[in-house]
Amino acid sequence: EPEVTQTPSHQVTQMGQEVILRCVPISNHLYFYWYRQILGQKVEFLVSFYNNEISEKSEIFDDQFSVERPDGSNFTLKIRSTKLEDSAMYFCASSPRLAGALTGELFFGEGSRLTVL
Amino acid sequence: KNEVEQSPQNLTAQEGEFITINCSYSVGISALHWLQQHPGGGIVSLFMLSSGKKKHGRLIATINIQEKHSSLHITASHPRDSAVYICAVMEETSGSRLTFGEGTQLTVNP
Repeated sequence: EPEVTQTPSHQVTQMGQEVILRCVPISNHLYFYWYRQILGQKVEFLVSFYNNEISEKSEIFDDQFSVERPDGSNFTLKIRSTKLEDSAMYFCASSPRLAGALTGELFFGEGSRLTVL
Repeated sequence: KNEVEQSPQNLTAQEGEFITINCSYSVGISALHWLQQHPGGGIVSLFMLSSGKKKHGRLIATINIQEKHSSLHITASHPRDSAVYICAVMEETSGSRLTFGEGTQLTVNP
């Protein structure tokens, strides 16, 4: 069964460093998303991406964050100058349609745990 | 601002019991998702609803758009159902942003 894969599963970094989290969405999906979950808190929407551009982003997704689909298969989240409060689980998801549309079922990756020291 | 409220926050059941988890939201939506988060953290989509009722195995999800309420039912619960169940909604005014509930921690004892 097709699945969304994320790497790395866990990354530890020093405050101020740049981090790139990678995702390979399901191959025929068109919509891609990043979410984060701080330990003990609810999942939060970061950004959605369609047709090689950001469709929507949350207030969390400021200039420190960027997304890219560099080669038609990978979907990356870059976090510049990491802060302690960026420590969280980051989930990538993809869907064949918009997640609000009739067939917009979401497929999640296993998550990348980021620890900022 | 849309609020997604789930109840209960925690639920402990004995194997075989019928489980109900509730979700209420405050604004018009285009779809509602029920998700399952495993102890290791991974998230799996269970249902996406925009009206009525859906059934998959022992899981049933219903939604009442007028009352802004959805329920997830688990029949004949099993210890392997132990997980966090999360409700997430897509607002009518949003193209792609999901708002998540806090989740319901379900523990099913043998």
